[in-house]
Amino acid sequence: DTAVSQTPKYLVTQMGNDKSIKCEQNLGHDTMYWYKQDSKKFLKIMFSYNNKELIINETVPNRFSPKSPDKAHLNLHINSLELGDSAVYFCASSHGPPKGNTIYFGEGSWLTVV
Amino acid sequence: AQKVTQAQTEISVVEKEDVTLDCVYETRDTTYYLFWYKQPPSGELVFLIRRNSFDEQNEISGRYSWNFQKSTSSFNFTITASQVVDSAVYFCASFGNEKLTFGTGTRLTIIP
Repeated sequence: DTAVSQTPKYLVTQMGNDKSIKCEQNLGHDTMYWYKQDSKKFLKIMFSYNNKELIINETVPNRFSPKSPDKAHLNLHINSLELGDSAVYFCASSHGPPKGNTIYFGEGSWLTVV
Repeated sequence: AQKVTQAQTEISVVEKEDVTLDCVYETRDTTYYLFWYKQPPSGELVFLIRRNSFDEQNEISGRYSWNFQKSTSSFNFTITASQVVDSAVYFCASFGNEKLTFGTGTRLTIIP
């Protein structure tokens, strides 16, 4: 019954690899987000999509490519992984356009690049 | 641009004490939204409250209460009679420019 679900929850991979994190929400929301939490717990938005359209791309390296096949899914693909990409990645969603409605987060995906 | 300041990096209190977490926000918007989230040791982000800029009424939910004061740009969070399960990192956040901007969080430890 998880509202916003992400897979995998844990991912350990080597530098240079390509990996994807999948996200699905069953809340019927129109907007989805990816946030990154670094080792100091700082949370920052990476991307947002509203009805499959990109709204925000917050100066993220182009090695990160989000894909929204439909409004219930927002996947994150990362090419040529670097050590600095190690972080927790949170998917989230909210109802309607991004105008201040409550944002609900998934449980996070812990990515470790070695 | 939105900015959220949580000046308290870490707080420790003994169980059953009351504790207040401070949050100061900056915004040029006349309409804005403020949030609190809890991140327990298990790591997920749990929504606690959303407040819009037109509603300055304080809110109470069980042992939790929130004090929103536009005059001081603050949205403080108080836990009454704290419990060990309240140990977590608490984030204050502000919504503007189509995104949620978080403060740096306050790590709260409740000592049994």
